[in-house]
Order: sequence, then C-alpha cells, then structure tokens
Amino acid sequence: NAGVTQTPKFQVLKTGQSMTLQCAQDMNHEYMSWYRQDPGMGLRLIHYSVGAGITDQGEVPNGYNVSRSTTEDFPLRLLSAAPSQTSVYFCASSYSTFTSGRYEQYFGPGTRLTVT
Amino acid sequence: GQQVMQIPQYQHVQEGEDFTTYCNSSTTLSNIQWYKQRPGGHPVFLIQLVKSGEVKKQKRLTFQFGEAKKNSSLHITATQTTDVGTYFCAGPNAGGTSYGKLTFGQGTILTVHP
Repeated sequence: NAGVTQTPKFQVLKTGQSMTLQCAQDMNHEYMSWYRQDPGMGLRLIHYSVGAGITDQGEVPNGYNVSRSTTEDFPLRLLSAAPSQTSVYFCASSYSTFTSGRYEQYFGPGTRLTVT
Repeated sequence: GQQVMQIPQYQHVQEGEDFTTYCNSSTTLSNIQWYKQRPGGHPVFLIQLVKSGEVKKQKRLTFQFGEAKKNSSLHITATQTTDVGTYFCAGPNAGGTSYGKLTFGQGTILTVHP
C-alpha cells in the first residue's frame, strides 16, 4: 500500500492564481481531511469528509473548496491564492469513526505552498 | 469551540535528560491521541488513550490520560537524538457530523543536544 499520497510536493503561486492540491489514499478509509500547518499554530483543520459525496468545513475553510467523488481521492482547491495561504498542507485519512471507534489519522507527506 | 492547549512550546534538553509535554483540553475528551513529526516530515500516529487514568508505555515513552479525561502527558525517559521532533496531542470533537474531527494542540518542539 502506498498509504496517503499528495501532489505536488512544492508549489509557488502568484497572488490570485488558483490550483488544486491532490490527495489520494489506498487504504479504503472513509474519513479524509485537510490540514494546514503554520509555525506555532499546530495543525488546523480546513475541510473534512466522512465519505464519498459528504464534506464539511473545519476550523479555517475560507478560500478553499473540496469535493469527494470517490473514496480514494480528496482534492483541495485554492480559488484565488493569497499570501496568507502560504503554508504546509497535509492530507490525512482514517478509519470510519462511526464504526471502529478508532481515530488515528494517517498523514500524507505534505505540500509546501508559497504564495507571492 | 473546543480548544486543546499544549505546553511547553519548545524544550531543549541534553541527551539523556528526561522530557515531558502536557496537553489540556477545554472539554472532556472521549479519547486523546499523540503524534510525532520529525523535522521536515509529516505527523505520525504514536498512541491513542481512551480510559480515564490510563497509562501506556512504548519503550522510553510513557503516556497518561487524566482522571477527568481533559488532560494528558507524554514523558520521555533518557532522551536520545532520535527523539528530536514536534510532539502533538489531538482530541476528537464529539457529536453530530463533527464526530471524529480532530483538534490538535500547538505542539511541543523537542531539541536534543548530544
């Protein structure tokens, strides 16, 4: 199993550009989420999904869109990039907490995004 | 909303010294998880604690969950250079569609001097 994969690893955008960060998992996990990590701020939840076709907002959703058309993929779209979105973005997946009671999340390697 | 606070933010130790990081939640948690992130890496799950007062050990690491299920600690005995990284605690939000969402603490950055 590849686990959780993310592309690209690095990206530089100009203010106002849009792009999609890709995330895929091959563990048949129902739960997927996107976090951003900034120095001293820990990991903050952007959006999450409890299954295909179901998404919801996290703590910092503004400026980001998500969709979940399949169990495997959970792309994150930046609509109009701003310097405040410079960050490291992590995708994570986990077992369905509704059935397993297990909450541990498996993280991808991250995407380092710079917006100039 | 739920808040998870973690202290200290930074800890510098000499190799062989002990290290402890503390985690406090504003709400009672059904469980708490701990993650380690090596420099330049991604968070990796270490352990999940579920029961009030639970203590679990992984080699030199000891994890505790408070009696009130609102606080937790991670203690490393005799640190090694391989322990370097950021340690995060995380607790799930409870109820409704937010079931299973994690709130992370800010993390403790551990530096070990050889």
